Amino acid sequence: GQSLEQPSEVTAVEGAIVQINCTYQTSGFYGLSWYQQHDGGAPTFLSYNALDGLEETGRFSSFLSRSDSYGYLLLQELQMKDSASYFCAVRHAGNMLTFGGGTRLMVKP
Amino acid sequence: DAGVIQSPRHEVTEMGQEVTLRCKPISGHNSLFWYRQTMMRGLELLIYFNNNVPIDDSGMPEDRFSAKMPNASFSTLKIQPSEPRDSAVYFCASSTAAGRETQYFGPGTRLLVL
Repeated sequence: GQSLEQPSEVTAVEGAIVQINCTYQTSGFYGLSWYQQHDGGAPTFLSYNALDGLEETGRFSSFLSRSDSYGYLLLQELQMKDSASYFCAVRHAGNMLTFGGGTRLMVKP
Repeated sequence: DAGVIQSPRHEVTEMGQEVTLRCKPISGHNSLFWYRQTMMRGLELLIYFNNNVPIDDSGMPEDRFSAKMPNASFSTLKIQPSEPRDSAVYFCASSTAAGRETQYFGPGTRLLVL
């Protein structure tokens, strides 16, 4: 079966750096995606790692280690608007995604 | 450009009634996905179409659920008969063959079955 584990909740202060970890057990792994979802909104794509290493997109970076079945999302210079839920998702053949349970990030002033 | 369009945005119905959710993917996208999100089960893939053909429907919970994609610009998810446990947010998402790692989600339909 497929399973993804990520913390249910993380709290950080404005301006800080936060790392959200994701471990997975799955078959047919093509890559690891990250999505952001604000309360009442739709998931929006943040980043994707197909290969080991770090991908940087502005304040957000994502890392993947295929040998460890592990990845993380790094958010720098946190802003209040970053308060949201963050989902890791394993991409399978056919572009299907299996999502983790999500991490609720609360950014405090 | 318009994103993925879903209708209705909110639906309240009574148990036993038929519910039809609609989705218009982004023009040019050839893959379409239906997801369900609940607090208990998170975000689950229900069914996936590629070039209007259903590829994987293993996530469809039971025979009460059915999905169609008669053409590249329209898909429906039907629940008949609906039950209170079907209450959830239903998202439609689309992607292209070239940008397969990115799925674009619609705003969702919030369904409440009484």
